[in-house]
Amino acid sequence: SQKIEQNSEALNIQEGKTATLTCNYTNYSPAYLQWYRQDPGRGPVFLLLIRENEKEKRKERLKVTFDTTLKQSLFHITASQPADSATYLCALDTGGFKTIFGAGTRLFVKA
Amino acid sequence: SQTIHQWPATLVQPVGSPLSLECTVEGTSNPNLYWYRQAAGRGLQLLFYSVGIGQISSEVPQNLSASRPQDRQFILSSKKLLLSDSGFYLCAWLAGHRNYGYTFGSGTRLTVV
Repeated sequence: SQKIEQNSEALNIQEGKTATLTCNYTNYSPAYLQWYRQDPGRGPVFLLLIRENEKEKRKERLKVTFDTTLKQSLFHITASQPADSATYLCALDTGGFKTIFGAGTRLFVKA
Repeated sequence: SQTIHQWPATLVQPVGSPLSLECTVEGTSNPNLYWYRQAAGRGLQLLFYSVGIGQISSEVPQNLSASRPQDRQFILSSKKLLLSDSGFYLCAWLAGHRNYGYTFGSGTRLTVV
């Protein structure tokens, strides 16, 4: 069956460091991979989308990589700030009507 | 600009009572609309999606139903709630151009007691 895994343990880092979050998947061939930010009690907010034929995508302090051979995406936040503290979800999209979301990884950035 | 409204924000309902959650979208026409449920520590579970008025695709639930009476309105219902229906319910809209991802509503926290 299709599975998507994100590190269930929270990630704690110091302000100014780079946060790296991992998304692994099996039995799936996504056309797109999306990353979202979710704050407690709120709906997820879309951050970035990367296509299967792209290796890397950047947006301001965010960088996403996509390795279809390893079936893995890495999400980086450089120069992290306490305001970056949230849960980050990855989502696999085949381009049809359905998207599979991971459970998310909580990030805590300490000042 | 496109916005999505979802209400109520929180709801506490007894077991066996009915449910109606409403979602409306503004600023777009013929959107693809979705209902997701999120349990604590779990990924978003797709419940229903709709590509147009009156068209509903059901993914999982036996106790829930959805309807789309108008182009920009999507309703999630239940005739009799179960304890297992508790969760965080999210309505979402997907733009035709996927570069913008899903736009989610603010969510409804449902507690069935």
